[in-house]
Amino acid sequence: NAGVTQTPKFRVLKTGQSMTLLCAQDMNHEYMYWYRQDPGMGLRLIHYSVGEGTTAKGEVPDGYNVSRLKKQNFLLGLESAAPSQTSVYFCASSSQVAPQHFGDGTRLSIL
Amino acid sequence: ELKVEQNPLFLSMQEGKNYTIYCNYSTTSDRLYWYRQDPGKSLESLFVLLSNGAVKQEGRLMASLDTKARLSTLHITAAVHDLSATYFCAESPYGQNFVFGPGTRLSVLP
Repeated sequence: NAGVTQTPKFRVLKTGQSMTLLCAQDMNHEYMYWYRQDPGMGLRLIHYSVGEGTTAKGEVPDGYNVSRLKKQNFLLGLESAAPSQTSVYFCASSSQVAPQHFGDGTRLSIL
Repeated sequence: ELKVEQNPLFLSMQEGKNYTIYCNYSTTSDRLYWYRQDPGKSLESLFVLLSNGAVKQEGRLMASLDTKARLSTLHITAAVHDLSATYFCAESPYGQNFVFGPGTRLSVLP
């Protein structure tokens, strides 16, 4: 069972470059989430979606954009990468009330 | 402001001992989640607590929820090395987004 798949797993960017992180889930979950985790810290919610075509801001949305054109996919975009966005990014999905299922993470370094 | 606090943040304990991790949250949410994260890995769901007084147990771990006190506990019984990990609690105040605590890094020493 694939569960939640994140692509890519690792990426190095230069300041000012753009990129898109892809999250795909095969559990037919309504809700999807993007988090960032910095060393020694918990997870902070960037954006989330409660259904196809809907998105909402989380705790730290600045510098990121998202889209959910298909129910199974949730894309996270960095338009102009900054060193402060160096982090591990986790995608998760869930159905109502149920716990979140997490992907393996994307380790992003911005030089 | 939505806030989830955990204590302790770091815990070093000997095998065979018991200990409790505390999670305080700020809203009147009746949903509380516990996750485990091994170093360099993703998060794994441990427990979902959905009502006041809920208690869940799995092996040496037991979680409980007191919504009136806005407190959840994760109790470790007779710790073993395999329980070494970081434990996060999270609340879901509106049933859609999640707010995570900072995590408790547990080391179980032989």
